[in-house]
Parts: sequence; C-alpha cells; structure tokens
Amino acid sequence: AQSVTQLDSQVPVFEEAPVELRCNYSSSVSVYLFWYVQYPNQGLQLLLKYLSGSTLVKGINGFEAEFNKSQTSFHLRKPSVHISDTAEYFCAVSQYNQGGKLIFGQGTELSVKP
Amino acid sequence: DAMVIQNPRYQVTQFGKPVTLSCSQTLNHNVMYWYQQKSSQAPKLLFHYYDKDFNNEADTPDNFQSRRPNTSFCFLDIRSPGLGDAAMYLCATSRQAMNTEAFFGQGTRLTVV
Repeated sequence: AQSVTQLDSQVPVFEEAPVELRCNYSSSVSVYLFWYVQYPNQGLQLLLKYLSGSTLVKGINGFEAEFNKSQTSFHLRKPSVHISDTAEYFCAVSQYNQGGKLIFGQGTELSVKP
Repeated sequence: DAMVIQNPRYQVTQFGKPVTLSCSQTLNHNVMYWYQQKSSQAPKLLFHYYDKDFNNEADTPDNFQSRRPNTSFCFLDIRSPGLGDAAMYLCATSRQAMNTEAFFGQGTRLTVV
C-alpha cells in the first residue's frame, strides 16, 4: 500500500518570495508521483508529474519538483510566487502503471500575501 | 478542447432522495474514476471503471453506485444521500497504459438538506 504525507498544512508566503511545499511518500512498489493544484470550488489541475527519467521535473506556472528516491520525497518549489498561486496543493502517488488511481496527501494551503 | 465535463456543477438534494451526478469525456480514455472530496480533506477514490469492468474500493459505502453506459459517460448514483455525503465529487479519466496521468473534471459540489 502507498501513503502520502504533506508536511505543512498551511504555508503563508509573501509575493515574489520562493516557496517549497514538502511531500513524502511510502510505498513498497514503484510509483508515479504528481502534484495537483485546486482553486476554490474547482477540480484538480495537474502541475507536474514524475513517471520516469530525470528526477527534476518542470511543470506549469513555473513550478518544479525533484524526486528523491532515497528520501522518498517529492517536494514542490517555485522561485518566485504570485498572488494567483494562492490555492490548495495536493501531492499524490499512484502505483506504477495505474496513473489515475491516486492516493492523495492531505493538501497544503498556499497563501500568497502582497 | 478535449476534456472531462461534470454536470451539474452544484447540486442540492434532500436527505434520502436519490441523486445522480454525471460525467462525460471527449478524451476517449478507457478508465474513468469517481473521487469524493469532503470539506478540507483530500480526494478519496470511490470506484473506477476499466472499460466496462467496475472496480469498487473496499471502503466505499453501498449507498454509492455507478454506471458507465459507454466510453464517454459515467454516472454516480447516491441511493439515499445522508448529511455526511455532502462533498465535492470529482470525475477523472486516464488511459490504462504506462506513463499516464489522470485528467479531472471541474467537480460537482453536492449539498444535502
């Protein structure tokens, strides 16, 4: 079985500052890793994914994440945030070859202040 | 644009009155999922279809059913909604293949009164 832990439930940050949202996972099998963003009363939008290959993954809106297998982490980073990045961010895992069957972390609320 | 569409976006139903939520997709994906997301919680998988094969999660209540009449459409039926079933319901699709991810609809927010 897989599980996901997002280490921060809320992250307040000032506009144009860098941010890191932390995610750790556990699994006994190979996994795919994802970050999704959710705006209020909206569905989930994929920010980026790690399926295989390079451990540094670049996504939309200037976000990137690094897969660290030894530390079982997949932290999300952005060098300079905007007010419009204020949203809920979910880290998720799926078993290899089952990319849509997701187990989510509890979410991190990113709040960007002017 | 190819996408996943959920209707309605907001649904109010009475306690105990059956309700159906719908999802359609133009991606021609063979796998469709229903997730339940309660307030301030993570989405949780209820069940999924791989083509016409229905796969129920072990802890999904019997009150929840699903139908998939064809590749494009999938329905979530709640037979007797309780107050605890108020949530955002998210439909998603994917290809059953390597190197794939889920594509989500905008969700239906269900209120039970």
